[in-house]
Amino acid sequence: EVQLVESGGGLVQPGGSLRLSCVASGFSFSHSWMSWVRQSPEKGLECVANLTPDGSGKFYVDSVKGRFTISRDNAKNSLFLQMNSLRSEDTAVYYCVRDPDYHAFDIWGLGAMVTVSS
Amino acid sequence: DVVMTQSPLSLPVTLGQPASISCRSNQGLIHSDGNTYLSWFQQRPGQSPRRLIYRVSNRDSGVPDRFSGSGSGTDFTLKISRVEAEDVGVYYCMQGRDWPPTFGPGTKVDMK
Repeated sequence: EVQLVESGGGLVQPGGSLRLSCVASGFSFSHSWMSWVRQSPEKGLECVANLTPDGSGKFYVDSVKGRFTISRDNAKNSLFLQMNSLRSEDTAVYYCVRDPDYHAFDIWGLGAMVTVSS
Repeated sequence: DVVMTQSPLSLPVTLGQPASISCRSNQGLIHSDGNTYLSWFQQRPGQSPRRLIYRVSNRDSGVPDRFSGSGSGTDFTLKISRVEAEDVGVYYCMQGRDWPPTFGPGTKVDMK
């Protein structure tokens, strides 16, 4: 079964850090571009980071540059998002997604809730 | 960033009747490779988004053929030929031509 399962969400204070993980199964993870997409009532759906199959190419939306880092471990079929200097506006559900063919996101995880609040 | 707009934002529908959602971009979405990277997603209540259509008009495996996508340039349409109860949810268009990919605000489809 094709599946993406996120973990690591939670409540964190402004300025704090959190690391999201995503485990993939049922498809060739090591050959897939991957992204993190977040969803909040205020901003809707927003793709925040994108990563090439070998991990060498990383792309970020301006609002998270310098604060978030996307990475992967192909041996463990895992994708990560390290989030530092978190702000209230980072509060959202974060989805791990497969990113084929110019961001035509075809596989979505169940999502991990991140809440940034004091 | 490319700005995506949708209309209407709310669409009350009747079972068995057709429905149509419009999506517009503020820039043309045709890529230099000749493809147009416009996708449609459905998000049912309490679920993750699910891709329905990619490259304007290509329906994903398992998507009922009552869903169809069309359009070109900056104007695109998602049509449901005969609405069924399971079609309730929010529908999003998204452009993938440029980084960052950007989504429309969503169209909420519910039963009259």
